[in-house]
Amino acid sequence: GQNIDQPTEMTATEGAIVQINCTYQTSGFNGLFWYQQHAGEAPTFLSYNVLDGLEEKGRFSSFLSRSKGYSYLLLKELQMKDSASYLCAVRDGDTDKLIFGTGTRLQVFP
Amino acid sequence: DVKVTQSSRYLVKRTGEKVFLECVQDMDHENMFWYRQDPGLGLRLIYFSYDVKMKEKGDIPEGYSVSREKKERFSLILESASTNQTSMYLCASMGARDGYTFGSGTRLTVV
Repeated sequence: GQNIDQPTEMTATEGAIVQINCTYQTSGFNGLFWYQQHAGEAPTFLSYNVLDGLEEKGRFSSFLSRSKGYSYLLLKELQMKDSASYLCAVRDGDTDKLIFGTGTRLQVFP
Repeated sequence: DVKVTQSSRYLVKRTGEKVFLECVQDMDHENMFWYRQDPGLGLRLIYFSYDVKMKEKGDIPEGYSVSREKKERFSLILESASTNQTSMYLCASMGARDGYTFGSGTRLTVV
């Protein structure tokens, strides 16, 4: 079966670092994506990992371990505008469609 | 920039009406998808299409159909709208490395 797990909610303080974890069990794997979604808006692309290791892009980094079925999104120097939902999604190796977790709602406090 | 345009941001329809949600992308992508998003349930795939005139059922196709007559346009049809189809509907177009590009979404309310 297909299963993607991530925490439902997280809170953090402005300027801090937060790590959002994602574990997955899927029948096929062709990459893992992270999206950011502000309330009432569409998801926007943040990162893509297909090989093991860390991908860094400014304040955001994403890590993948395929053998463990595990990824995390690391957000540094948190800003109030980072308050949003963060969606983990796995691309199915056979169909190319994305399978989404239910998302992690991050609240950043001053 | 890839643009995925959904025709309406907000819609209110009556139970039993036939509803058309339109989605157009301008990057010549072959793959297009329709999802609905509900609190606590995340994004669930309704239908997808890999090419013109081609469609595949997703995880929750019941009560929906789709049309892909041209490569750039993927339409979602609610044959007879019901209150349990009140939701946010998201269309997406797929590139190679960037995954999906989403439209701005249509918030549909069925009364």
